[in-house]
Amino acid sequence: GENVEQHPSTLSVQEGDSAVIKCTYSDSASNYFPWYKQELGKRPQLIIDIRSNVGEKKDQRIAVTLNKTAKHFSLHITETQPEDSAVYFCAASLTGRRALTFGSGTRLQVQP
Amino acid sequence: GAVVSQHPSWVICKSGTSVKIECRSLDFQATTMFWYRQFPKQSLMLMATSNEGSKATYEQGVEKDKFLINHASLTLSTLTVTSAHPEDSSFYICSASPLATVSYEQYFGPGTRLTVT
Repeated sequence: GENVEQHPSTLSVQEGDSAVIKCTYSDSASNYFPWYKQELGKRPQLIIDIRSNVGEKKDQRIAVTLNKTAKHFSLHITETQPEDSAVYFCAASLTGRRALTFGSGTRLQVQP
Repeated sequence: GAVVSQHPSWVICKSGTSVKIECRSLDFQATTMFWYRQFPKQSLMLMATSNEGSKATYEQGVEKDKFLINHASLTLSTLTVTSAHPEDSSFYICSASPLATVSYEQYFGPGTRLTVT
């Protein structure tokens, strides 16, 4: 089955700096790659997603890049703010199967 | 739109008892819902895929006789943890995708925190 690896496990940045989180996946049949933000005790919130036919997608301060050949995708957050502090998860789903395989998570701390 | 609810939001039960968790799509229909489990400071792990009108598909290592899933309608799936033990204590989250959509986006319920004493 699909395996998703995520790095780093923790990331501390100064307010205003950029943060980058990276994920790799194992199954080349995966075609959907969402990123979620989860606050303690809450449901995961979708912040951005990308399909396999697209190499990059941006939404204000958040961007995702996908390299299908290398089977990795990355989340980029620019101009970080303290409210960006949370746990971020990447995920992947196989073509025709909407179940998600999640990465291990990255705890992002933005220092004011 | 696309709201998923779960009930209860938290539950405490004694070891050996059973607990039922409901997952409802409030404003859309879903033939498939998913159940995930999340232990403290860990990731979400897919437990099973719940299919309306048919048997659930369980992931490897998940005991189907212990985690009973029923998907009785296009808006309701239930997860029953039978003979619960302290190691079943976890955060259980369901998700669903609208029936007629080309989007891959899933909508997550708020989760149910189960504590088994």
